[in-house]
Amino acid sequence: GENVEQHPSTLSVQEGDSAVIKCTYSDSASNYFPWYKQELGKGPQLIIDIRSNVGEKKDQRIAVTLNKTAKHFSLHITETQPEDSAVYFCAASGAGSARQLTFGSGTQLTVLP
Amino acid sequence: DGGITQSPKYLFRKEGQNVTLSCEQNLNHDAMYWYRQDPGQGLRLIYYSQIVNDFQKGDIAEGYSVSREKKESFPLTVTSAQKNPTAFYLCASSIDWTRAFFGQGTRLTVV
Repeated sequence: GENVEQHPSTLSVQEGDSAVIKCTYSDSASNYFPWYKQELGKGPQLIIDIRSNVGEKKDQRIAVTLNKTAKHFSLHITETQPEDSAVYFCAASGAGSARQLTFGSGTQLTVLP
Repeated sequence: DGGITQSPKYLFRKEGQNVTLSCEQNLNHDAMYWYRQDPGQGLRLIYYSQIVNDFQKGDIAEGYSVSREKKESFPLTVTSAQKNPTAFYLCASSIDWTRAFFGQGTRLTVV
């Protein structure tokens, strides 16, 4: 089955700096890659997603890039703000019996004021 | 407002008891899922359902059971066979296996 690895597990940045979180996946058939933000005690919230026919997608301060050849994708947050502090999860899903999402282990992002 | 509602928010279970976690959605989504989250870890899939009256085991289904009698509802029962049930349980739904939306979770503790 699919295996998703996420790095780093913790990340601290100064307010206004950029943050980058990276994930690799194992199944070359995976074709959908979402990113979720989870605040303490709450359910994950979808913040951006990308499909395998696209290399990059942006939404205001958030962007995701995908390298299908290397089987990795990354989340980029620019101009970080204290409210960006949370746990971020990447995930991957494919086709057929592998269509359920497989999640990475999460990154605790702390934005220091 | 459309969304996913999980109840209760906190649940305490005694040794040997079965407990049922509720999940209701009004998003008209066909697919629903249950995930388990342990501290410092990612989400692991327990069960999923693509359509009413059908469901499939995920990666960690042992000790759990589900039903899908209505499109809107996907309750999860944690049975006494689940030896380590203390965790944060998350329900999600999606229209086509992408863009899954999550509820706010139920924190289950064994006392």
